[in-house]
Amino acid sequence: DAGVIQSPRHEVTEMGQEVTLRCKPISGHDYLFWYRQTMMRGLELLIYFNNNVPIDDSGMPEDRFSAKMPNASFSTLKIQPSEPRDSAVYFCASSLEPQVAPGELFFGEGSRLTVL
Amino acid sequence: AQSVTQPDIHITVSEGASLELRCNYSYGATPYLFWYVQSPGQGLQLLLKYFSGDTLVQGIKGFEAEFKRSQSSFNLRKPSVHWSDAAEYFCAVGAAGNAGKSTFGDGTTLTVKP
Repeated sequence: DAGVIQSPRHEVTEMGQEVTLRCKPISGHDYLFWYRQTMMRGLELLIYFNNNVPIDDSGMPEDRFSAKMPNASFSTLKIQPSEPRDSAVYFCASSLEPQVAPGELFFGEGSRLTVL
Repeated sequence: AQSVTQPDIHITVSEGASLELRCNYSYGATPYLFWYVQSPGQGLQLLLKYFSGDTLVQGIKGFEAEFKRSQSSFNLRKPSVHWSDAAEYFCAVGAAGNAGKSTFGDGTTLTVKP
């Protein structure tokens, strides 16, 4: 299995620009999670989907952030407009239906975002 | 609400020495417990997990962890550390009734001295 695939691995952009991060989960996984990791705040859950439907977006910091999952094999996290404080590593993770393996997450390698 | 505490932000051990990383959790029901490892520039990888049964669980890379309900702990151990074990380690607690969401600790950074 290819694992969770994220792109781009690195993104450098200027303040005010739109940023789109992409994720392909492991085939057959029902849940998809977006996390943000920074030195100051650690690993934060931003949003997660179940069967392509957003379930909990309470971790999304502001309206500038949005996430979609148009189908079972693709999700995007968009920041518009971006700000320097959005600089972080963004991780996508997927998991099976909790009854099978509760909470076991498979992470992508992350997208490192730098906003100048 | 579930929570996880990793008391040690940073630990340094010599190569070949034993290792124990501490994790304490707070959760009302039976927890599902995990240890993940993150190497520099990489995503998190599952080391081991505890769902039920034997309280001593074996994981990859020679790691093991012991679930102690009375102490609300799930400490990670390795008898002999290798330089390649230098990484950040995260303890996490999850629950089937919580739609698979896991709560992560703040992580412990392990440095291995030659």
